[in-house]
Amino acid sequence: EDQVTQSPEALRLQEGESSSLNCSYTVSGLRGLFWYRQDPGKGPEFLFTLYSAGEEKEKERLKATLTKKESFLHITAPKPEDSATYLCAVRGDYKLSFGAGTTVTVRA
Amino acid sequence: EAGVAQSPRYKIIEKRQSVAFWCNPISGHATLYWYQQILGQGPKLLIQFQNNGVVDDSQLPKDRFSAERLKGVDSTLKIQPAKLEDSAVYLCASSRQDSNYGYTFGSGTRLTVV
Repeated sequence: EDQVTQSPEALRLQEGESSSLNCSYTVSGLRGLFWYRQDPGKGPEFLFTLYSAGEEKEKERLKATLTKKESFLHITAPKPEDSATYLCAVRGDYKLSFGAGTTVTVRA
Repeated sequence: EAGVAQSPRYKIIEKRQSVAFWCNPISGHATLYWYQQILGQGPKLLIQFQNNGVVDDSQLPKDRFSAERLKGVDSTLKIQPAKLEDSAVYLCASSRQDSNYGYTFGSGTRLTVV
């Protein structure tokens, strides 16, 4: 069965303080690793899809990278509006399996 | 394009009562998913539809949960009878077949069973 483990569970940052979130996974036949952002009271919002080791994707202050066993979401110079829960998910055969997420709080 | 619509947004019921949730996916999305998200956890797939047919319902507690997708569009998820441990957010998502862009999620229905 596909497994996704995210760390840390929670991350408190000062505005401008860069950091990284980790997502380690086991899956038979990776067909995509996905990053989502989830705000309180809302559904997850798609950020990135990565398919192969070495691949990188960027969006504003976020950059996602992928290796054969894990993915990192780097947050560069975060702002308070980057506060959210970030979810990692992997797709094996046909379904997404999610990790528990990392809750990021950015203080001004 | 319009997003995934879900209703109601909130529901409070007593244990052993029944409840139903409704989902309208994005137009043209053949695949529809129901996920359960318990507080502090990631979403867990309950059931996946491809058009009218069920692709995966292996994690659906079939003794109390049921779901249907009408004419390959709207879907309803029902719980009867509800248990305390069913308290969670129920998320509906949809995607084009074999989407490379992940799924589009609705805002969910927050269920509290007391």
